[in-house]
Amino acid sequence: KNQVEQSPQSLIILEGKNCTLQCNYTVSPFSNLRWYKQDTGRGPVSLTIMTFSENTKSNGRYTATLDADTKQSSLHITASQLSDSASYICVVSAGGAGSYQLTFGKGTKLSVIP
Amino acid sequence: DGGITQSPKYLFRKEGQNVTLSCEQNLNHDAMYWYRQDPGQGLRLIYYSQIVNDFQKGDIAEGYSVSREKKESFPLTVTSAQKNPTAFYLCASSSGQGGQPQHFGDGTRLSIL
Repeated sequence: KNQVEQSPQSLIILEGKNCTLQCNYTVSPFSNLRWYKQDTGRGPVSLTIMTFSENTKSNGRYTATLDADTKQSSLHITASQLSDSASYICVVSAGGAGSYQLTFGKGTKLSVIP
Repeated sequence: DGGITQSPKYLFRKEGQNVTLSCEQNLNHDAMYWYRQDPGQGLRLIYYSQIVNDFQKGDIAEGYSVSREKKESFPLTVTSAQKNPTAFYLCASSSGQGGQPQHFGDGTRLSIL
């Protein structure tokens, strides 16, 4: 059964600090992995998408890493801001292009406090 | 600006009532999706449509129905057969006739009266 596990479930950090969110998956065959940011009461917004051959991808202060061998991904947030408070969702796609076999993680809820 | 518009933002359903959630997109995307989000759970796919007048069931289609008469619109009806409809419903779209959701709407929160 395809699964995506995210940790921690929730996290509180001080404004300006860095943090790293984890995503472990058991999805096969792996196609790509996407990180979304979801503000409370809003729809998810894509931050990064990574294929098998990509190890690192950045989007501003967000840097995602992928280790396809260990089936782990992380999302690193640098110099956190209050606006980073949100849920971060890891989504893994199985199969090739056109596949609807997406497995969603339950998300990590990040709170950035002043 | 292009995007996905979901309405209403909040919706209440009475016992035995069918309700319809609206989803409109102006991104010219072929594929559209409906997801359900429950607290502490990952998103689950209800229905998806790759092209006008065609749609397929997702993982939790029971108690729901959809139509795709226009490229821009993909309404979701929550029928009285759905016994636990309280959730946050998200509509999404993607370019091409396949693939993964690229853009999401801001959701409709459905509650039971």
